[in-house]
Amino acid sequence: ETGVTQSPTHLIKTRGQQVTLRCSSQSGHNTVSWYQQALGQGPQFIFQYYREEENGRGNFPPRFSGLQFPNYSSELNVNALELDDSALYLCASSGWGGSYGYTFGSGTRLTVV
Amino acid sequence: QKEVEQNSGPLSVPEGAIASLNCTYSDRGSQSFFWYRQYSGKSPELIMSIYSNGDKEDGRFTAQLNKASQYVSLLIRDSQPSDSATYLCAVSGGGADGLTFGKGTHLIIQP
Repeated sequence: ETGVTQSPTHLIKTRGQQVTLRCSSQSGHNTVSWYQQALGQGPQFIFQYYREEENGRGNFPPRFSGLQFPNYSSELNVNALELDDSALYLCASSGWGGSYGYTFGSGTRLTVV
Repeated sequence: QKEVEQNSGPLSVPEGAIASLNCTYSDRGSQSFFWYRQYSGKSPELIMSIYSNGDKEDGRFTAQLNKASQYVSLLIRDSQPSDSATYLCAVSGGGADGLTFGKGTHLIIQP
């Protein structure tokens, strides 16, 4: 059984640029959710994808967008990067509604300069 | 606005003692409750999940849920230095809700 994998592990971008982060879900899981974790804070829910559609969203602006593919893997795209977007980005896979629990990937550390 | 509150600590506990971590949540519709352990620079690791009132035990860990009081706790028995980490409480209403996390409690086990 494969776990949740994220790529890349680290990334440095310039303010105003765009970034794409990738996540593969755990075998048997069909839902992917994304979280942003600033230093010293708990993860904040960005959005969730199920059956290739966004079906839940936290308090994040539209420049945060995503995709889910038929194999349940997912992408997080962030446009017009701001310095405050610097954080650890985590994806979690689960069954629908959190069934089987939420399994997190190792995260992508994004630094915006 | 759904909120999860935790004491940020640090909580210092002698090795071999019981560590008690607490969490309150604001949304009465919450259905699923989780405790994650996070080491510095790493991603959260699921320790316990609990879905109904009462206690749930797994090895040295016991999760307790009281929906009437909107309160979740985690007990760690026979604390070990390797238990030193930040413990995140997370809740979900199910469906498309995702997880709402607290800020975490930094636990230090003193040898």
